[in-house]
Amino acid sequence: AQSVTQPDIHITVSEGASLELRCNYSYGATPYLFWYVQSPGQGLQLLLKYFSGDTLVQGIKGFEAEFKRSQSSFNLRKPSVHWSDAAEYFCAVANSSASKIIFGSGTRLSIRP
Amino acid sequence: DAGVIQSPRHEVTEMGQEVTLRCKPISGHDYLFWYRQTMMRGLELLIYFNNNVPIDDSGMPEDRFSAKMPNASFSTLKIQPSEPRDSAVYFCASSLGQGSPLHFGNGTRLTVT
Repeated sequence: AQSVTQPDIHITVSEGASLELRCNYSYGATPYLFWYVQSPGQGLQLLLKYFSGDTLVQGIKGFEAEFKRSQSSFNLRKPSVHWSDAAEYFCAVANSSASKIIFGSGTRLSIRP
Repeated sequence: DAGVIQSPRHEVTEMGQEVTLRCKPISGHDYLFWYRQTMMRGLELLIYFNNNVPIDDSGMPEDRFSAKMPNASFSTLKIQPSEPRDSAVYFCASSLGQGSPLHFGNGTRLTVT
């Protein structure tokens, strides 16, 4: 069975600073990996996904993530954060048929003015 | 497209009462998911359907929980009898499957007193 770990519960960064949110997964085969963002009172929105090919994937809102098989990681990055990026971020992994999607516990991002 | 529609948006009920949450997926989406979100446990997958058939209900907490999908445009999640520990936000999501992104509803915030 697949599982996801997001070791950081809450991160605060200054506006304009770079960001990296950590995600580690566990799955026996090649995983399908996702990052979603949740704004208060809303459902989740897809930022980006990795299925195969280039291990560096680009997403919406200037986010990118890198798949590192040797480290079982799929960290999310952004070179310069904006106040509007404050939200909860979830990493997710899907099974080989990409149908069962399991989420990590989330990382809450706060932006310091 | 109206997106995934969940009702009610908020539900407050007393312990022991039956609660029914409703979901209308996006037309054409073959997969439907029910998730529960709490501070303590994060976002948990309860059950998911493919073409109206339950595929994996291993996340359903106990027999008090049941979910149905009588047709491609409607699903319910029922709790009977409800307990205070069921208080959470319940999300419905749908997708085309095979790695396509999940589209989430805005959730139902359930409070059991």
